[in-house]
Amino acid sequence: GAVVSQHPSWVICKSGTSVKIECRSLDFQATTMFWYRQFPKQSLMLMATSNEGSKATYEQGVEKDKFLINHASLTLSTLTVTSAHPEDSSFYICSATDGRKSRNYGYTFGSGTRLTVV
Amino acid sequence: QKEVEQNSGPLSVPEGAIASLNCTYSDRGSQSFFWYRQYSGKSPELIMFIYSNGDKEDGRFTAQLNKASQYVSLLIRDSQPSDSATYLCAVRAYNFNKFYFGSGTKLNVKP
Repeated sequence: GAVVSQHPSWVICKSGTSVKIECRSLDFQATTMFWYRQFPKQSLMLMATSNEGSKATYEQGVEKDKFLINHASLTLSTLTVTSAHPEDSSFYICSATDGRKSRNYGYTFGSGTRLTVV
Repeated sequence: QKEVEQNSGPLSVPEGAIASLNCTYSDRGSQSFFWYRQYSGKSPELIMFIYSNGDKEDGRFTAQLNKASQYVSLLIRDSQPSDSATYLCAVRAYNFNKFYFGSGTKLNVKP
């Protein structure tokens, strides 16, 4: 089945530094990748949608200059949290799909990255 | 108005009972509907999807869709303690490029 690898699974960084999270589709071509953030006991919040080779589309309220998304290939998307602050500490999850498939093609999730900014 | 709404719960059912989870959505043009299960600290895992009105069964799980009422539900038969998790309803938008989650319903299955 479709597998998405997300790294790192957890990261601790100092306030003001940048952190890059990678999301790779291992056995399918991910034309579209989604990045979510989840705070404790809350649901997944869609941050942005990225299509391969295009600029990401950010949801309202998400700072595109702070959360840099790159989707340069059909198997890799990265999310870089720039100038991280403690309030950015959260669980970040990517999901991927091949948008060329039928409407019922599922969305496969990465295992998530727990970011702690100290 | 949220795109997808779910009762946050918790929903408590005894082991062996039927758990019924509900979800409503606002975009009438939505195409596909998914149910995910998420254990604490883990990523969501797909349980099943449905796109046609009616019922779809997969093992102990049955998804029900009513597009006229913009309502989708998930029934879990013979609930087990291992089913205790948060269940997320997700809706794939008309243009296939948006995928929204509900806030999730926490299910507790008591032994």
